[in-house]
Amino acid sequence: DTEVTQTPKHLVMGMTNKKSLKCEQHMGHRAMYWYKQKAKKPPELMFVYSYEKLSINESVPSRFSPECPNSSLLNLHLHALQPEDSALYLCASSHGMGTGGRTEAFFGQGTRLTVV
Amino acid sequence: KQEVTQIPAALSVPEGENLVLNCSFTDSAIYNLQWFRQDPGKGLTSLLLIQSSQREQTSGRLNASLDKSSGRSTLYIAASQPGDSATYLCAVKVIKAAGNKLTFGGGTRVLVKP
Repeated sequence: DTEVTQTPKHLVMGMTNKKSLKCEQHMGHRAMYWYKQKAKKPPELMFVYSYEKLSINESVPSRFSPECPNSSLLNLHLHALQPEDSALYLCASSHGMGTGGRTEAFFGQGTRLTVV
Repeated sequence: KQEVTQIPAALSVPEGENLVLNCSFTDSAIYNLQWFRQDPGKGLTSLLLIQSSQREQTSGRLNASLDKSSGRSTLYIAASQPGDSATYLCAVKVIKAAGNKLTFGGGTRVLVKP
């Protein structure tokens, strides 16, 4: 099983709403990532979790709040977003460093977020 | 700072022709390089992973080469089919003290005409 599952697939939210994106993998990966992708652009890294600890935050605004409750789950909590935050949000996972294994990254199908 | 560039940005070929997609990166201290395919509005599908110690990887009609010293990788797709139409992205993994970091190129949009 090389699947990363993201829910929901589509989300429309108002600027005052609070919502969450969810990501799940059962490959035993200990590194998990959030990426943001605008139309016709490459994915841009937002956050990296390594062994359930936040290891990289690419200066993302605090209206995006990541959470890693356990080694299989990754959430992205959204609050007071702006229309320019509308994008495809991608979750990925890979083996963590020091495992000696291949660190191939696997991506989910993404959540298409529209902020109105 | 690692920068990844893909040329050309778009490519249109008739069915049956071979595809050659290029990827270059500025910092040769990479851990691995990965090629992905992305269909419109969808997630990324991993095609090939090349470890930094490898020179090439093959899977079916796909072959990817890596020249770390010159900072280049090439993805070859033999005998292209209309179903190969998609955006192809290369990404390099760099190891930082804080954790892994995957940096993407801008992608090459491929159209294979029947």
